[in-house]
Amino acid sequence: EPEVTQTPSHQVTQMGQEVILRCVPISNHLYFYWYRQILGQKVEFLVSFYNNEISEKSEIFDDQFSVERPDGSNFTLKIRSTKLEDSAMYFCASSVQLEQYFGPGTRLTVT
Amino acid sequence: AQSVTQLGSHVSVSEGALVLLRCNYSSSVPPYLFWYVQYPNQGLQLLLKYTTGATLVKGINGFEAEFKKSETSFHLTKPSAHMSDAAEYFCAVIPLFSGGYNKLIFGAGTRLAVHP
Repeated sequence: EPEVTQTPSHQVTQMGQEVILRCVPISNHLYFYWYRQILGQKVEFLVSFYNNEISEKSEIFDDQFSVERPDGSNFTLKIRSTKLEDSAMYFCASSVQLEQYFGPGTRLTVT
Repeated sequence: AQSVTQLGSHVSVSEGALVLLRCNYSSSVPPYLFWYVQYPNQGLQLLLKYTTGATLVKGINGFEAEFKKSETSFHLTKPSAHMSDAAEYFCAVIPLFSGGYNKLIFGAGTRLAVHP
């Protein structure tokens, strides 16, 4: 069964450093998403991406964040200058229509 | 703005007992409704969804949920709990007329514990 994959599973970085989280969505899916879950809190929407552009973004998704689909398979989330409060589990998801399939997540720890 | 409320952050049941996890949504126009499960150290897995049609929907692992418009609810049930059901359960919605981009709005989650 096709699945969404994410790398790395765990990323530790120092405050102020740039990180890139990588996702490989399911191959025939058209919509791509990033969500995050701070420990003990709700899963929160960050951004959706369709037709090679951002279709919607949340207030959290400020200028420090960017997304890219550099080729036909990868979907990346870049955080330009990480802050302590960026520490969270980041989930990638993809969909054809309504049903979103989630990857296993990348746990980002900012020290 | 649309919100999702899950009553009870922790629910504990005995193995073999009924599981009932509650979810209410806030909008007057019913959204699309979903339940996801998250096992320890894993991602989110879709259990079931309601979009249109029959209001009782069946999902994986013996779970089902009933959409009740009059109560703005979408509670999740399973007749007989199994130890393997221990996980965190998230109710989520996609508002209608969301522009086609399908942002999921999640509830806070309910952690289900199953004891022997």
